[in-house]
Amino acid sequence: AQKVTQAQTEISVVEKEDVTLDCVYETRDTTYYLFWYKQPPSGELVFLIRRNSFDEQNEISGRYSWNFQKSTSSFNFTITASQVVDSAVYFCALSYTGANSKLTFGKGITLSVRP
Amino acid sequence: EAQVTQNPRYLITVTGKKLTVTCSQNMNHEYMSWYRQDPGLGLRQIYYSMNVEVTDKGDVPEGYKVSRKEKRNFPLILESPSPNQTSLYFCASSLYLAGYEQYFGPGTRLTVT
Repeated sequence: AQKVTQAQTEISVVEKEDVTLDCVYETRDTTYYLFWYKQPPSGELVFLIRRNSFDEQNEISGRYSWNFQKSTSSFNFTITASQVVDSAVYFCALSYTGANSKLTFGKGITLSVRP
Repeated sequence: EAQVTQNPRYLITVTGKKLTVTCSQNMNHEYMSWYRQDPGLGLRQIYYSMNVEVTDKGDVPEGYKVSRKEKRNFPLILESPSPNQTSLYFCASSLYLAGYEQYFGPGTRLTVT
């Protein structure tokens, strides 16, 4: 069975602070995929990144960076110099190779960035 | 613009009155799926479709039906809605199976009284 744990439920920071959102996953598959999605107050789900289990390279995209460590089954997300527009719920998700590309989501982390 | 569209965005209905939530994607994606999002329970898959005429149950299919007669459309049907189906519903699509990113529609907020 697959599981995604986002232990932090709510985080509040002041603008320009760096913040890391934690994600720990469980799977028995050797090939799997990890994702982060953002859900702003408007409600839509916005795709941020996808990683496959064979690619442990960290990734940076502007102020966003992701750290994938198979040894600890973690896929953490860091926002550098946070902005008010980063306020949202962030979901980590997992899928595997199979007939169903179902995303198993964590419960989400509500990030509030105060001016 | 590449997108997944859902209609209606908001719906209030009464118990037992059949309804359909439409979902359409213009990206020629093979895989489509429906999720519901509930406080405390997160996002859970209802049904999915690997291609035209191929559909299967997700984790919470009870009370729902789907069809995939055309590649671009994947409607969600509630034959006899009940209050426990009050939820935020998302349609998603991806190019193929196996790990491609899924793009989500804007969501449909359904209230069943």
